[in-house]
Amino acid sequence: DAGITQSPRHKVTETGTPVTLRCHQTENHRYMYWYRQDPGHGLRLIHYSYGVKDTDKGEVSDGYSVSRSKTEDFLLTLESATSSQTSVYFCATTGESTDTQYFGPGTRLTVL
Amino acid sequence: GQQVMQIPQYQHVQEGEDFTTYCNSSTTLSNIQWYKQRPGGHPVFLIQLVKSGEVKKQKRLTFQFGEAKKNSSLHITATQTTDVGTYFCAGGDYKLSFGAGTTVTVRA
Repeated sequence: DAGITQSPRHKVTETGTPVTLRCHQTENHRYMYWYRQDPGHGLRLIHYSYGVKDTDKGEVSDGYSVSRSKTEDFLLTLESATSSQTSVYFCATTGESTDTQYFGPGTRLTVL
Repeated sequence: GQQVMQIPQYQHVQEGEDFTTYCNSSTTLSNIQWYKQRPGGHPVFLIQLVKSGEVKKQKRLTFQFGEAKKNSSLHITATQTTDVGTYFCAGGDYKLSFGAGTTVTVRA
């Protein structure tokens, strides 16, 4: 795997609180992605980044924001968590010369 | 936008049997990728198909890309317990659209 770590790995929070998930990569990959995985839906793209400070929305971006101030870090923020955001969140990266995506271990988020 | 659909959603297989999972896109794909996710794990890249009609094999796994580049299939022969997991197809380039996956369980 491409040296991708996610933190925290597990988090339980309450409705209405802000939450930030971190993805860190050591491969100097240009592209980084945040997905959520829910039963029956596969992997749905939340936001992605194609460079430092360059980000764009995916198919399920409402309620989420991202930031990328360094190549190696991509942050996902839930401004005010809701129970519908309970999910497993995966970060992924890909380099310039390939379309293959490398996934981090995931963060299991529970919003009560 | 591009949509990728997979069937079946679940596949229950007797150990030693063969099965096939299918992937269909609403649009022509530049390439198709397949990933496997073991229970409790993260998706791991298996293979990429680029050419129309392309067939690639990895041991007991055979991957095929349709002539129109709108569908793909994964065929597993002589299923083993190590094949348990969810298989995803994904189409696109730097921004992939994933199918919902086929979750495979194996009866010993």
